Amino acid sequence: AQKITQTQPGMFVQEKEAVTLDCTYDTSDPSYGLFWYKQPSSGEMIFLIYQGSYDQQNATEGRYSLNFQKARKSANLVISASQLGDSAMYFCAMREKGYRRVAGTASKLTFGTGTRLQVTL
Amino acid sequence: DTGVSQNPRHKITKRGQNVTFRCDPISEHNRLYWYRQTLGQGPEFLTYFQNEAQLEKSRLLSDRFSAERPKGSFSTLEIQRTEQGDSAMYLCASSYGRTQETQYFGPGTRLLVL
Repeated sequence: AQKITQTQPGMFVQEKEAVTLDCTYDTSDPSYGLFWYKQPSSGEMIFLIYQGSYDQQNATEGRYSLNFQKARKSANLVISASQLGDSAMYFCAMREKGYRRVAGTASKLTFGTGTRLQVTL
Repeated sequence: DTGVSQNPRHKITKRGQNVTFRCDPISEHNRLYWYRQTLGQGPEFLTYFQNEAQLEKSRLLSDRFSAERPKGSFSTLEIQRTEQGDSAMYLCASSYGRTQETQYFGPGTRLLVL
């Protein structure tokens, strides 16, 4: 089974409107982190926002917020007041902290297939 | 610029040649990751270093691939006897071991094998 699922290959949103990008995840690890990255056409992955599995409140970073529904295993990204510069690929990723791992070892990120967002005038 | 840097940004090579990529992480970061991204996909994990120790390798990292981080600072990724299937974007990321441990990515090296 896919660990990260992004079901929207492409989305359009008008400038100044809000948009929600969907992400569902699958893990049996009780401790994990969820990340969203933006990838413009230049290729660099830009970190946007983080949500920890034990965080009580939804994460927010400026115009970005994360709608975290733990029971449904979803971590949707909400972008408010869209701007033309928001046009890019958006990737959801998960880091499973692996409670059985040796202390001090970190875990890789597992990415979804991404959603291409196009902001229109 | 204090971000992650990668060189070269682009590499075109002929099948069978060896290539080497370099990654310079953010200076205080002790963890360094390599990922590969093919067209239309998200990045896939290749390998990870904590300081100079290579702690994890993906099954994607065949015997033709080798990575080093000799002094716990910059890292190199070498691909020997390149194949057309190696054509991809190779991304490097670094992080500092804390609870959130966000990985910050470099601009990537885009490899084309002819």
